[in-house]
Amino acid sequence: AQSVTQLDSQVPVFEEAPVELRCNYSSSVSVYLFWYVQYPNQGLQLLLKYLSGSTLVKGINGFEAEFNKSQTSFHLRKPSVHISDTAEYFCAVGYSGGGADGLTFGKGTHLIIQP
Amino acid sequence: AAGVIQSPRHLIKEKRETATLKCYPIPRHDTVYWYQQGPGQDPQFLISFYEKMQSDKGSIPDRFSAQQFSDYHSELNMSSLELGDSALYFCASSYRGDGETQYFGPGTRLLVL
Repeated sequence: AQSVTQLDSQVPVFEEAPVELRCNYSSSVSVYLFWYVQYPNQGLQLLLKYLSGSTLVKGINGFEAEFNKSQTSFHLRKPSVHISDTAEYFCAVGYSGGGADGLTFGKGTHLIIQP
Repeated sequence: AAGVIQSPRHLIKEKRETATLKCYPIPRHDTVYWYQQGPGQDPQFLISFYEKMQSDKGSIPDRFSAQQFSDYHSELNMSSLELGDSALYFCASSYRGDGETQYFGPGTRLLVL
């Protein structure tokens, strides 16, 4: 079984400041890791993913995340946020053993950008 | 780029009625997933299909069933609807060989009255 913990339900940040959204996971098997963003009344958009290889992955909209196996973390970062980044961010984990397994999501972090 | 298509986008039903949600995956994707997202909640996995065969099963109620057709589109059938079924239902698709990276559709918002 897998689980995902997003430590902060809300993160207020001033515009142009850096931000880090934290994600920790628990799994007894090898996993893939994802970050999705959900704007109000919209679907989930893939921000970035870690499948294998380099532990630092870059995504869309200037976001990046670092996979840390020893700390079982996959924190999302952006050096300078914009008002348009206001959204709900979900960290998700999937089994990497092949097959069409469903993702397990964290509870989400609401990123609030203050002008 | 083509995305996952879901229909209808909004649906209003009465208690005990049935509903059918449709999902058209990204072209060449062979796997479809269904998720349920309650208000203010994270998405919960319901069920998935690979090459028209059920692959994984999550917290899907017995009142719900789904299938994937020969053209890879999928339908989620929901019967004896309850008030608690009101939620956003997402379909996602993936292609085996891409790390099963799931791309989500815009969702169907179901309201049960």
